[in-house]
Amino acid sequence: DIQMTQSPSSLSASVGDRVTITCRASQSISSSYLNWYQQKPGKAPKLLMYGASNLQSGVPSRFSGSGSGTDFTLTISSLQPEDFATYYCQQSYSTPWTFGQGTKVEIK
Amino acid sequence: EVQLVESGGGLVQPGGSLRLSCAASGFTFSSYSMNWVRQPPGKGLEWVSYISGGSSTIYYSDSVKGRFTISRDNAMNSLYLQMNTLRAEDTAVYYCARAGGAYNFESWGQGTLVTVSS
Repeated sequence: DIQMTQSPSSLSASVGDRVTITCRASQSISSSYLNWYQQKPGKAPKLLMYGASNLQSGVPSRFSGSGSGTDFTLTISSLQPEDFATYYCQQSYSTPWTFGQGTKVEIK
Repeated sequence: EVQLVESGGGLVQPGGSLRLSCAASGFTFSSYSMNWVRQPPGKGLEWVSYISGGSSTIYYSDSVKGRFTISRDNAMNSLYLQMNTLRAEDTAVYYCARAGGAYNFESWGQGTLVTVSS
């Protein structure tokens, strides 16, 4: 199984801050199969980015993604109040499809 | 608008069975693969099972293989998860999720809570 490890597990940031979340896969995966999700408390997850760097329809352009091989990042260029949530990376390269443990972005 | 509505969750004793349903609308159901993904209370996400549009391809995670069965009825626009021999560690919110390109989880339902406890 491919293990996905996110860092940090949580972070505190202020509105307007630039935030970067890292996701590392236990083996190399095609970037086409790396996805990011946002989940707010009590709500279902929402697909943010697919293929490492492609914004899902309707997602603000302050979100961006990059990476290849085993190392990927999600960046929020200027944190907004509605961005406080938990973020998960996920690989869909090989079954079982696996998620990172999540990164909780909290208000400072 | 894509809508996925799960139902069938509840409290069940260890060793018991439960059948979850997911009603789909707003898209051509038979053209899309579907998944079940679960989330134990306060914890992260775990993919459970996948079924292709015509039911020809099915995958399970090792943690549920042999106990859970995924199925679909394209005429009824519905997805199912038959869960047998339930364990305490199966306690979670279960989401149905439509597959996007490259097997991501493109759209999600609101989830249904399954609690396995005596």
